Amino acid sequence: AQRVTQPEKLLSVFKGAPVELKCNYSYSGSPELFWYVQYSRQRLQLLLRHISRESIKGFTADLNKGETSFHLKKPFAQEEDSAMYYCALSDMTTDSWGKFQFGAGTQVVVTP
Amino acid sequence: DTGVSQDPRHKITKRGQNVTFRCDPISEHNRLYWYRQTLGQGPEFLTYFQNEAQLEKSRLLSDRFSAERPKGSFSTLEIQRTEQGDSAMYLCASSSLRAGHEQYFGPGTRLTVT
Repeated sequence: AQRVTQPEKLLSVFKGAPVELKCNYSYSGSPELFWYVQYSRQRLQLLLRHISRESIKGFTADLNKGETSFHLKKPFAQEEDSAMYYCALSDMTTDSWGKFQFGAGTQVVVTP
Repeated sequence: DTGVSQDPRHKITKRGQNVTFRCDPISEHNRLYWYRQTLGQGPEFLTYFQNEAQLEKSRLLSDRFSAERPKGSFSTLEIQRTEQGDSAMYLCASSSLRAGHEQYFGPGTRLTVT
C-alpha cells in the first residue's frame, strides 16, 4: 500500500534560517511526488512537483528513489513561508494517475 | 472562471439527517476528486470522476456516501443518515490531463454533525 509520511507536525524556524520539511514515501510503482501548501485562510495550492524540477518561491525538492524521500528545502526562510505543507504522491503508471495520497502535513512557523 | 467552487462553505446538521454538497470544477477540467480532511490530517481520497464516469471509490466511503457527476461538469456528494464521525472538511479538486493532472482545490465544505 502506498503511504506518505511527514514526521514533523510542527517546524518552527527563525527568519533567514534554512528550513527542511521531510517527506518519506512507500510505494512499489512509479510515483510522482508533489508538495502542496495551504496559507492561512486560503485553499490548498500546488507548490512544486518533482517532474518539473522547478524552484518555486525559493523552495526546492529532490526525489531520492533510494531513500524514498522527497524533502522540501529553502535556504532562507521568510515570514510569508508560514503555512501548512503537505507532501503528496500519485502513481504515474496506472489509470489512478492524478489520484493523490497525502501526508499528514507539517505546520511551518517562521518567527522574526 | 475563478477556480473550483464549493457550496455550501459550512453545514451544521443533526445526526441522522442527510446532507448534499456541490462542487463546480474549472470548466475545462475533465477530472474531479473528492477528499475528506479531519483535524490534524492531510486530505484523504474519497472518490473521483473522469467526465461523468466514477472511476474509483475509497474503502473509506461507506454505503451512506454517494457522489454523482451527471453531465461531466459539477458534482454532488451526498451523505445519508449523518453520524458525528462524518464531521470534517470535504474538499473538491479538479484537474486535466493537459495540465499533467495538477489538482486545483476548492475552498472546502466544513460539515459539523451535532
